[in-house]
Amino acid sequence: IAGITQAPTSQILAAGRRMTLRCTQDMRHNAMYWYRQDLGLGLRLIHYSNTAGTTGKGEVPDGYSVSRANTDDFPLTLASAVPSQTSVYFCASRRQGAISSPLHFGNGTRLTVT
Amino acid sequence: AQSVSQHNHHVILSEAASLELGCNYSYGGTVNLFWYVQYPGQHLQLLLKYFSGDPLVKGIKGFEAEFIKSKFSFNLRKPSVQWSDTAEYFCAVQGTGFQKLVFGTGTRLLVSP
Repeated sequence: IAGITQAPTSQILAAGRRMTLRCTQDMRHNAMYWYRQDLGLGLRLIHYSNTAGTTGKGEVPDGYSVSRANTDDFPLTLASAVPSQTSVYFCASRRQGAISSPLHFGNGTRLTVT
Repeated sequence: AQSVSQHNHHVILSEAASLELGCNYSYGGTVNLFWYVQYPGQHLQLLLKYFSGDPLVKGIKGFEAEFIKSKFSFNLRKPSVQWSDTAEYFCAVQGTGFQKLVFGTGTRLLVSP
């Protein structure tokens, strides 16, 4: 079934540790995004990639990095986790161009930093 | 840069009541507009979208939204809500072209049976 796969589903992480959240899509979408969802703040864009090989910063990029080595994968890395990064993280993708598609979302990763 | 405001953070309704959730955006150019829904414990799903044409857009599960350009609004409506509509609803706006999608802060809807 075509879609977006995120892993892990949930994780408890000690502060200061490094963590990579994985995101893979099989829809050949050129654009991919990472959002975090926090109570009262809604969804905020962390980083995005319009096409393989390019990335850009969103609203809240500090403390996070991404890479886009190929079309399908868009991992999000926390180099040294802090408690304020406790959140639910959603990866999303869409076809972007002359005819764009709406965003497709993954099921999310619930991250708790202690 | 575009921004989105959802005025109602929490809405509580009884079954069969009518629903209207407000969404206003700010952006100087042409926009694409979306409503997403997130049911408890699930990921976001698209309810409906507006790209162009008829400003009254019908989506899944009996939802509709009206784009009023002069008011920069894209309010979501449903004539008669059900308990299963309990969820969080997000309005989103995207400037046309290679623009990022910007979300509102969401509205939590609780429908009591």
